[in-house]
Order: sequence, then structure tokens, then C-alpha cells
Amino acid sequence: EAGVAQSPRYKIIEKRQSVAFWCNPISGHATLYWYQQILGQGPKLLIQFQNNGVVDDSQLPKDRFSAERLKGVDSTLKIQPAKLEDSAVYLCASSLESGQGRGTIYFGEGSWLTVV
Amino acid sequence: AQSVAQPEDQVNVAEGNPLTVKCTYSVSGNPYLFWYVQYPNRGLQFLLKYITGDNLVKGSYGFEAEFNKSQTSFHLKKPSALVSDSALYFCAVRDEDFNKFYFGSGTKLNVKP
Repeated sequence: EAGVAQSPRYKIIEKRQSVAFWCNPISGHATLYWYQQILGQGPKLLIQFQNNGVVDDSQLPKDRFSAERLKGVDSTLKIQPAKLEDSAVYLCASSLESGQGRGTIYFGEGSWLTVV
Repeated sequence: AQSVAQPEDQVNVAEGNPLTVKCTYSVSGNPYLFWYVQYPNRGLQFLLKYITGDNLVKGSYGFEAEFNKSQTSFHLKKPSALVSDSALYFCAVRDEDFNKFYFGSGTKLNVKP
């Protein structure tokens, strides 16, 4: 079974530029998450989708961050304009809500962003 | 409020010795509890989970965790540590009512030869 796919793995941009990250969840997983992980800290939820609807985006800085999951499968997270404090790892994850594997979040390898 | 606490930023243990990484939680209703491991420059990998049933849960790479409802704890354990176990470990709790995950701040495990 293929895992959660993310791209790009690494990105360096200047402040005020824009960047987009892509995520393809595990096949059949209805719930998709984007987390931000700053070095040395635990993951912080940015947005959670159930199929193509938003479940929770309370911690998403909506003035600069946006995310979509138009067809209920893959998703894109965009930052525009980027700030220095956005330097972090952006982790995509997905989960299955039924069956034996329900409830467990599976993470991708992350997209590492450096803003200079 | 829902929360997860990992009271130790770092745990040091000698190879071959048993290890424990501590986790306590606060959640309304029945908790779903998880442990994840993160190696350098990698995403989080699922180790094990407790949803219901036996309080002792066995997971990947020889790790196990014990759910203690009265102490609201879910400590991660391994009988004999390996140098390759050195990594960052995260405890997480899922609120069954609100379908949200809460992660601890992480514990860095150092296993020395």
C-alpha cells in the first residue's frame, strides 16, 4: 500500500514570495490533514478535510495560508506571501474512519520550507 | 480542554537497558491514544495505538505501551534499547467525540552504546 505522498520535499524561498505544497493521501482515506511542525516542537494542525469539506481550519492563518481539496483526494497548501516565521516542515497526513485501521493518522515525509 | 503532556524533553538510556518515555493526557470521553516516532529529516511514523481492550499494547520495533486510566497515562516502553531507537517520540490523543488529534511536545530519546 502506497503511503502519503508529498512534494516538493525541500523548498527555499525569499520572504514575500509564494509557495505551494501538494499532497496525495493514502487511497481510500477520507480525512486529510495539514500540520505545521517548527523545529523542536510537536505538529500543529493547520487544516483538516473530510472528503472535500473543511472540518477544522481554526489555526490556519487565513491572511496568508490557503488550502483546497477540490475532488476529495489530493490537496494543495499555499502560502502567500511567506514570512520568515513560516520556516517549518509541512506535514500532510490522512486517516481512515472505518474498519480495523480506523482512527490512525498516517503521515507523509513532509515538505521542508526555509524562508530567507 | 483536551491536552497531551510529555514531561521529559529528553531521555537518555544505555543500549541494552529498558526505556520508558512518559505521556499523560486529558480528554473528554474515551481516549484513542497513539505513539509516533520521528527520525531526522523524516515524517512521523506510527508505532502503536490504544483504542480499547488490553491495557498493554504492542507495536512496531519491539515497543509497547501501557494504558492506565486512573493515572491518565500512556507510557511508551521497550525492554532493551537499541542505538537505532534514538529519535523524537510523540504521544497523541484523539478525542472520539470531536475527531481531533492532540500531540505532545515530543521527547528526544538518546540511546548510547
